[in-house]
Amino acid sequence: QPELTQPPSLSGAPGQRVTISCTGSSSNLGAGYGVNWYQQLPGTAPKLLIYDNNNRPSGVPDRFSVSKSGSSASLAITGLQAEDEADYYCQSYDISLSAWVFGGGTKVTVL
Amino acid sequence: EVQLVESGGGLVQPGGSLKLSCAASGFRFSDSAIHWVRQAPGKGLEWVGRIRSKPNSYATGYAASVKGRFTISREESTAFLQMNSLKVADTAVYYCVRHVSDTSTGHRFDPWGQGILVTVSS
Repeated sequence: QPELTQPPSLSGAPGQRVTISCTGSSSNLGAGYGVNWYQQLPGTAPKLLIYDNNNRPSGVPDRFSVSKSGSSASLAITGLQAEDEADYYCQSYDISLSAWVFGGGTKVTVL
Repeated sequence: EVQLVESGGGLVQPGGSLKLSCAASGFRFSDSAIHWVRQAPGKGLEWVGRIRSKPNSYATGYAASVKGRFTISREESTAFLQMNSLKVADTAVYYCVRHVSDTSTGHRFDPWGQGILVTVSS
């Protein structure tokens, strides 16, 4: 089981807002480690979407934002677009495992 | 342009070995840690291991699932993943990824290679 828990799937209509949760523990997010999010479009490699809680690489629209509190984080997508249909993964570092850990991934479907 | 390109994948029998390569370009390779991440068919991402930068003595670290079987190394502008005693459960697309870090914005994996498929089957 992944160390970070995400819902397997979410869906929304174009223009809507969806939120993906990422729940960790006191050995990763709760220990103060930052959270990164990756977007994986169908058939492609993952791509960095947001890093260190809420920083966006150039080219990533501000429709994507992250909030973090304690052992949990969430990725919000506002103004959902067809091109946002993808798998999304959260990531952090786990001090107990001495390993980088990922969430199980959330498949976002645009209705 | 920063780029990572994996090669060396293929079909191998259970118990066999395979060595993947990750060719890097567009950045100062010796100053960056490199990670390997895998994705089994239809599944999520799993961190495999990493090799640190030259200033950090090229130290390695591995996930419990591969420790003692997989070895990460590097030379010039290429990183390697030597996989021994392969199991059917090791079947996955393997990605190499650059570790980016700075004191103000933390750590992240960027960019990712295109991935290479390793199939372990008899």
